[in-house]
Amino acid sequence: DAGVIQSPRHEVTEMGQEVTLRCKPISGHDYLFWYRQTMMRGLELLIYFNNNVPIDDSGMPEDRFSAKMPNASFSTLKIQPSEPRDSAVYFCASSAPGHWNTEAFFGQGTRLTVV
Amino acid sequence: GQQLNQSPQSMFIQEGEDVSMNCTSSSIFNTWLWYKQDPGEGPVLLIALYKAGELTSNGRLTAQFGITRKDSFLNISASIPSDVGIYFCAGPYSTYYGGSQGNLIFGKGTKLSVKP
Repeated sequence: DAGVIQSPRHEVTEMGQEVTLRCKPISGHDYLFWYRQTMMRGLELLIYFNNNVPIDDSGMPEDRFSAKMPNASFSTLKIQPSEPRDSAVYFCASSAPGHWNTEAFFGQGTRLTVV
Repeated sequence: GQQLNQSPQSMFIQEGEDVSMNCTSSSIFNTWLWYKQDPGEGPVLLIALYKAGELTSNGRLTAQFGITRKDSFLNISASIPSDVGIYFCAGPYSTYYGGSQGNLIFGKGTKLSVKP
């Protein structure tokens, strides 16, 4: 398996623009997580899904952030409108059934820069 | 809420040295995980610990689950240049403390660099 695949790897956008980050989890995994990593706050969980259903979105910073998982092999994280403080590395991760609290496999991340 | 505190925040190593780092919390964890993140990559799981007192090895890495369930240690023996990176401890949020099942909390990391 190719692992968790995220796109794009890098995104530079202007303030106010819409940004969409994409993730393909490992086939057969039923948990999908979106994390944000910054120097100040470290790794923060934004939202996670189980069997395509959002379970906990309490980490989503504000209404400008939204996430969807239309099927088991695809998820998006959208920021609209984007702001400079959204600049960070965004990671998607997935876990196999029964391993939600242990081995989360991470993608390579999307480095977002909002100017 | 639950928090994981890692120390040291950063350290410099010389090839061949042994390295120790730890992770502590004011609350109890039932699972301790150690991840490593290389530059430009996502974190990768190194070791998972499930039982208080457990000592687990993965090559040159050894990790221990503290008896109190409030701490964990990671040791690297005979370090090599590819050991540089950021090491994170992590554990699942407890619903007892208001967390939700499926949510992993991460420490801020210990950054390992090579001595100049």
